[in-house]
Amino acid sequence: EVQLVESGGGLVQPGGSLRLSCAASGFTFSSYEMNWVRQAPGKGLEWVSYISSSGSTIYYADSVKGRFTISRDNAKNSLYLQMNSLRAEDTAVYYCARLGYGSGYYMDVWGKGTTVTVSS
Amino acid sequence: SYVLTQPPSVSVAPGQTARITCGGNNIGSKSVHWYQQKPGQAPVLVVYDDSDRPSGIPERFSGSNSGNTATLTISRVEAGDEADYYCQVWDSSSDWVFGGGTKLTVL
Repeated sequence: EVQLVESGGGLVQPGGSLRLSCAASGFTFSSYEMNWVRQAPGKGLEWVSYISSSGSTIYYADSVKGRFTISRDNAKNSLYLQMNSLRAEDTAVYYCARLGYGSGYYMDVWGKGTTVTVSS
Repeated sequence: SYVLTQPPSVSVAPGQTARITCGGNNIGSKSVHWYQQKPGQAPVLVVYDDSDRPSGIPERFSGSNSGNTATLTISRVEAGDEADYYCQVWDSSSDWVFGGGTKLTVL
């Protein structure tokens, strides 16, 4: 079964740091590009970051650029998101999602998410 | 940056057809993808590349895209279709863009 499982969320103070992990199984992780997407409480989906299958190409949303770092370890079938200088507006459920593509780029497999709360 | 506009809510009676729109500048030139999200759950891809369905998604879900509007159509709506629906495109200047979401209510 194709599966993504996020972990590492929790309560952190403003200005603090947190590292999220996403464990992949049921598919050849090293062949797929991956994304992080977040959803603030009661709000819509917001794309956060992208990483290519090899890790050589990375993109970030403007809202997290310079504060968040995406990475992956293909030997461990794992995706990561290092979040620094956290702000209250970073409070959200964070999903990792596999990228699929046909004529466009879409997210065909999602994890259940991990919750990050930034509050003093 | 590229913006996708969805109606906040759509209501439909069981057995009827629901149409959820997604507006964007010349969106017909892009590939549009749709996700269903039920309360407390992760999003699920229901339509990709304008009108294709992933395996396991009922044929009742279909999509179209032309001009400045893409549409997700759900035929013979069931109570279990009640959820939030999001459209999404990839744009060279904005990367992955989601619409604001539409809450589908089955009356």
